[in-house]
Amino acid sequence: DAGVTQSPTHLIKTRGQQVTLRCSPKSGHDTVSWYQQALGQGPQFIFQYYEEEERQRGNFPDRFSGHQFPNYSSELNVNALLLGDSALYLCASSSTGTSRTDTQYFGPGTRLTVL
Amino acid sequence: RKEVEQDPGPFNVPEGATVAFNCTYSNSASQSFFWYRQDCRKEPKLLMSVYSSGNEDGRFTAQLNRASQYISLLIRDSKLSDSATYLCVASGGSYIPTFGRGTSLIVHP
Repeated sequence: DAGVTQSPTHLIKTRGQQVTLRCSPKSGHDTVSWYQQALGQGPQFIFQYYEEEERQRGNFPDRFSGHQFPNYSSELNVNALLLGDSALYLCASSSTGTSRTDTQYFGPGTRLTVL
Repeated sequence: RKEVEQDPGPFNVPEGATVAFNCTYSNSASQSFFWYRQDCRKEPKLLMSVYSSGNEDGRFTAQLNRASQYISLLIRDSKLSDSATYLCVASGGSYIPTFGRGTSLIVHP
């Protein structure tokens, strides 16, 4: 049973650049959520995708955008990178429409460093 | 006031001790609650779900108090391997999942 996978594991970018992070959900899951986790903080919800549409969004600027594909995998795009975007980006998958809709499983994350 | 609050600790306890963490939440519309464990520089791993009156899994017990809007996690007979950061999260319905900043636990010999 494949768990949540993310790529790449590490990434170094410079200010102003754009980045794309990728996520494949756990087998049998159809919903993907993205989180940003700064050092010493809990994960902050960016947005959630279900049926290829953004269903919920946290308090993040429009520079953060995403996409979900028909196979349920997802991408997170961040434009015009700022130093403050340096963080661990986590993808979590879940299964909508079941009794465990809110139960999320996390991938290993992508550590983004912006110089 | 943060929506989900946890004491960051660290809680420093000897092996075999019992330790309890609390987590308060401000949104009374929250429906689902969870505890996650996160090791240094790793992803959070689901530890327990907390529904209605709470639940127990081996040495771990989670309780929900809706009236006072807090959840708790009790760890009995602490092991060295329990050393980690414990995150609570409140979510459900139209309410976005909201994590606390985590409580650090250090279990020493």
